[in-house]
Amino acid sequence: DIQMIQSPSSLSASVGDSVTITCRASQNINNYLNWYQQKPGKAPRLLISPVSNLQSEVPSRFSGSGSGTDFTLTISSLQPEDFATYYCQQTYNSPLTFGGGTKVEIK
Amino acid sequence: EVQLVESGGGLVQPGGSLKLSCAASGFTFSGSAMHWVRQASGKGLEWVGRIRSRANSYGTAYAASVKDRFTISRDDSKNTAYLQMNSLKTEDTAVYYCTRGSSSDFWGQGTLVTVSS
Repeated sequence: DIQMIQSPSSLSASVGDSVTITCRASQNINNYLNWYQQKPGKAPRLLISPVSNLQSEVPSRFSGSGSGTDFTLTISSLQPEDFATYYCQQTYNSPLTFGGGTKVEIK
Repeated sequence: EVQLVESGGGLVQPGGSLKLSCAASGFTFSGSAMHWVRQASGKGLEWVGRIRSRANSYGTAYAASVKDRFTISRDDSKNTAYLQMNSLKTEDTAVYYCTRGSSSDFWGQGTLVTVSS
């Protein structure tokens, strides 16, 4: 199975900060990489699929990049509504696998 | 508007069975793969499995943790996907979500399954 290692597992930041979350796959996943945002008590929301393609209505302060095994999600100028948990997921091979999540908290 | 609505969750004893449903609307259900994802309280997301469309022979795949215990099926005439869960264990306790396609671009609200004696 492909392992997805996300880092950091949590971070504290202020409104207006720029933050970067990384996701590393245990093997080449040929850019089959999605990013999700989840707020407490809610279902996850697809932000980016694949790699750098923003879904409709996702603000442009979110961006994704990477290739092969290493990927990043960047949020420029954090807004109050961005404080949430973020997950990466590979869809290259079954079983599809998620990263462990990154909780973005208010400093 | 795309909608996915899960139902069928509840309390079940270890070793028991439960069948979840996912009613879909607002898109061409028959042409879409459907996935199930679960989340234990305070934990991360875990992919459970998927069923492909008729065009892809209704192919299924499962996580190792549920293989041979869980079965995903679908009824395209009812726009509904199902997750049959047998031999349930306490560690299967989670909120279960159905999602559309491998990009999981739409999610249901989830249904809680509690396995406890």
